[in-house]
Amino acid sequence: DAGITQSPRYKITETGRQVTLMCHQTWSHSYMFWYRQDLGHGLRLIYYSAAADITDKGEVPDGYVVSRSKTENFPLTLESATRSQTSVYFCASSEMGVASGTEAFFGQGTRLTVV
Amino acid sequence: KQEVTQIPAALSVPEGENLVLNCSFTDSAIYNLQWFRQDPGKGLTSLLLIQSSQREQTSGRLNASLDKSSGRSTLYIAASQPGDSATYLCAVRGRRQNYGQNFVFGPGTRLSVLP
Repeated sequence: DAGITQSPRYKITETGRQVTLMCHQTWSHSYMFWYRQDLGHGLRLIYYSAAADITDKGEVPDGYVVSRSKTENFPLTLESATRSQTSVYFCASSEMGVASGTEAFFGQGTRLTVV
Repeated sequence: KQEVTQIPAALSVPEGENLVLNCSFTDSAIYNLQWFRQDPGKGLTSLLLIQSSQREQTSGRLNASLDKSSGRSTLYIAASQPGDSATYLCAVRGRRQNYGQNFVFGPGTRLSVLP
């Protein structure tokens, strides 16, 4: 099916463990993004990628690592999970066309709880 | 740095009313503005996308306008229904190079339409 999918949808992990959240899109969009959504803070950008093998930090990158070896995948890794990383994580993709940018499409989110 | 605000933060109306949600942004150097809907515990659903060169977009009972020079957008919902109850988010995609021209989100307006 065409679209953007995240996995897992729900995850509970312990403090200090490594966790990887997966994101896969089928449109071959060049841009992909990871956001976290928290009460009182809204959606904040963690990392983004403009193309395969090109990634950069967003507003709140500390404690996270990303990679993009293939255009369609953009995994987010929490190297050593902390309780402050309990959040809902959203992946998004978009193209950046000549027409000054196009629509952003979001995955359904991953609800991560760090205990 | 781009900042996006939305007023009101919450709105409760009886079914059938027409209503307006407001979005303001501080940096007019944008590619586009996008309105999303988010149901509790769910992902973001794109409602309307307005390119920076456009003044408005319509989809069914929804109409979104954009005044880039004043940094404002409005989302007009006609003949509201209980099924419209959700949080509405606006996001702008900036032209400036910081954060790779990512989408900056407002905090959202939580809408309740009462039967």
